Amino acid sequence: GDSVTQMEGPVTLSEEAFLTINCTYTATGYPSLFWYVQYPGEGLQLLLKATKADDKGSNKGFEATYRKETTSFHLEKGSVQVSDSAVYFCALWSSNDYKLSFGAGTTVTVRA
Amino acid sequence: DTGVSQDPRHKITKRGQNVTFRCDPISEHNRLYWYRQTLGQGPEFLTYFQNEAQLEKSRLLSDRFSAERPKGSFSTLEIQRTEQGDSAMYLCASSLIPSRGRTNYGYTFGSGTRLTVV
Repeated sequence: GDSVTQMEGPVTLSEEAFLTINCTYTATGYPSLFWYVQYPGEGLQLLLKATKADDKGSNKGFEATYRKETTSFHLEKGSVQVSDSAVYFCALWSSNDYKLSFGAGTTVTVRA
Repeated sequence: DTGVSQDPRHKITKRGQNVTFRCDPISEHNRLYWYRQTLGQGPEFLTYFQNEAQLEKSRLLSDRFSAERPKGSFSTLEIQRTEQGDSAMYLCASSLIPSRGRTNYGYTFGSGTRLTVV
């Protein structure tokens, strides 16, 4: 079935460092791709999304581009802040079964 | 609309007891989903409803689990005879029904109910 694989963490960075979290997917049909963020003790929040190839999702300084040729949707931020410390999940919405499937999550800790 | 609401936020129960969680979705959303998230893992799909109909159940949903959405609005998830392995965060999400041309079908998640079975 359709699935996503994201880089394992944890990732520890200094403030203002560059962040990238790799995500690749396996899918038939035309999936949509998402990044969700989960802050400690909270539920999931949609960070950004892309619904077709070459789309770029962006929000709060984060960006990810839907690359069909490499089946990837890597998350990037040029200058992280302490408040970006969270768990980040890559997710795929399958056009076959209309369900959202998640990667295992990557824990990011940003130190001041 | 205040988004997706889940109640309670936390539940501690003794093994063998029954528990019930409630989810109130965004009012105009037709679909409602339940996911389970264990420590260090991504959310795993359990079941979903379209209006009041339960359209799919994951094999993760054993016979001890039952979900309802009686009037197509709120939903309940009940776990009978809880086991320690049921300890997890139970997440509810809602969305519009996907359709050709509709791009705003992203899920909105609630804050979850954290279950601890002791």
